[in-house]
Amino acid sequence: AQSVAQPEDQVNVAEGNPLTVKCTYSVSGNPYLFWYVQYPNRGLQFLLKYITGDNLVKGSYGFEAEFNKSQTSFHLKKPSALVSDSALYFCAVRDANRGSTLGRLYFGRGTQLTVWP
Amino acid sequence: NAGVMQNPRHLVRRRGQEARLRCSPMKGHSHVYWYRQLPEEGLKFMVYLQKENIIDESGMPKERFSAEFPKEGPSILRIQQVVRGDSAAYFCASSLSGGVTDTQYFGPGTRLTVL
Repeated sequence: AQSVAQPEDQVNVAEGNPLTVKCTYSVSGNPYLFWYVQYPNRGLQFLLKYITGDNLVKGSYGFEAEFNKSQTSFHLKKPSALVSDSALYFCAVRDANRGSTLGRLYFGRGTQLTVWP
Repeated sequence: NAGVMQNPRHLVRRRGQEARLRCSPMKGHSHVYWYRQLPEEGLKFMVYLQKENIIDESGMPKERFSAEFPKEGPSILRIQQVVRGDSAAYFCASSLSGGVTDTQYFGPGTRLTVL
């Protein structure tokens, strides 16, 4: 079955420090992986995606993510956190080999990132 | 360059009433997806539509829920005879082509509260 796990409900980091938000996935075929960010009472904003190619993907607002096939992980990273990065982050996966269900994204439960000044 | 639009943003219904949620995709997008977000949970897929067609509704409850995306106008998610368990945030997303590598762009959501 397709699934996404975000093992940490919360991540706290000081401004200026590097941050990592973890994500692991399970799919039967090739994974297409996405990160979204949600600010309070807002919709999800797309950050970045991995489709194929270079395992390190760069996205919006200085975020990047590293695809690791052997560990089935797609961790979100940023070298230097900002207070304004505080939000809820969702990892999602789409299974390339799922026929009529190709459209759907499978989401993790989300990780609340808090960056303190 | 408007993004995905959803209305209303907040909707309050009493048990047994009907809820209608509307979604206008981004300009040029003809693929629409509906997701539901329960408190403390991630988003769960409900239904995937293309203009005038339901592509995948396997995530939608069999009873009381229906969705459409007509040739003209917004996509509608309809919940009949709402119950307290329907209280959630409902998000709509749209994409350009529906391909597996295509990005889904989300609207601000409709927060449904059932009294």
